[in-house]
Amino acid sequence: AQSVTQLGSHVSVSEGALVLLRCNYSSSVPPYLFWYVQYPNQGLQLLLKYTSAATLVKGINGFEAEFKKSETSFHLTKPSAHMSDAAEYFCAVSPRSGNTGKLIFGQGTTLQVKP
Amino acid sequence: DAGVTQSPTHLIKTRGQHVTLRCSPISGHKSVSWYQQVLGQGPQFIFQYYEKEERGRGNFPDRFSARQFPNYSSELNVNALLLGDSALYLCASSYQASSYNSPLHFGNGTRLTVT
Repeated sequence: AQSVTQLGSHVSVSEGALVLLRCNYSSSVPPYLFWYVQYPNQGLQLLLKYTSAATLVKGINGFEAEFKKSETSFHLTKPSAHMSDAAEYFCAVSPRSGNTGKLIFGQGTTLQVKP
Repeated sequence: DAGVTQSPTHLIKTRGQHVTLRCSPISGHKSVSWYQQVLGQGPQFIFQYYEKEERGRGNFPDRFSARQFPNYSSELNVNALLLGDSALYLCASSYQASSYNSPLHFGNGTRLTVT
């Protein structure tokens, strides 16, 4: 069964510092990969997705993620953190087989941005 | 354009009761999925409906059921509520059934508290 592991339930960075949120997946076939952000009392918003067109994926709000098959990873980065980036971030996978929209989410990482 | 709308936003129920949650997808979207998000965890897939047919079901007991109407809106029903059913219930819509070419758009959720 496919699964997603997000290393670090809480990450704290200073404003202007690099943001690195880690995600590893387990699957014999590379799945489709997604990063979502959730602000307090809101639903999830798609940041970016990997569907095999390019290993480096650029998303909204300056975020990007790199797919590394050899490491089964899809880490999310942003060069310079803003206070508005403070939120919960979820990595998710979707199997390539089958025609469904089912997403399997990781446990989430809370990003704190300090002034 | 209106996003995914869910009602009610908050709900308090007693153990053993029944609850119905409602979701209106983005106009033109034919797929609706339901997720349960327990505090501190990532969302877990409950159901997906596409063109009024069930496309997928997660690992939830038969107390959970759902349906999709001709206008593509959807209801999630939970019978015999347990304390453990307390969670944020998220609805997501997409144009197509598959997640790789039709990303999910999430509503802000319904916060269910079971006492």
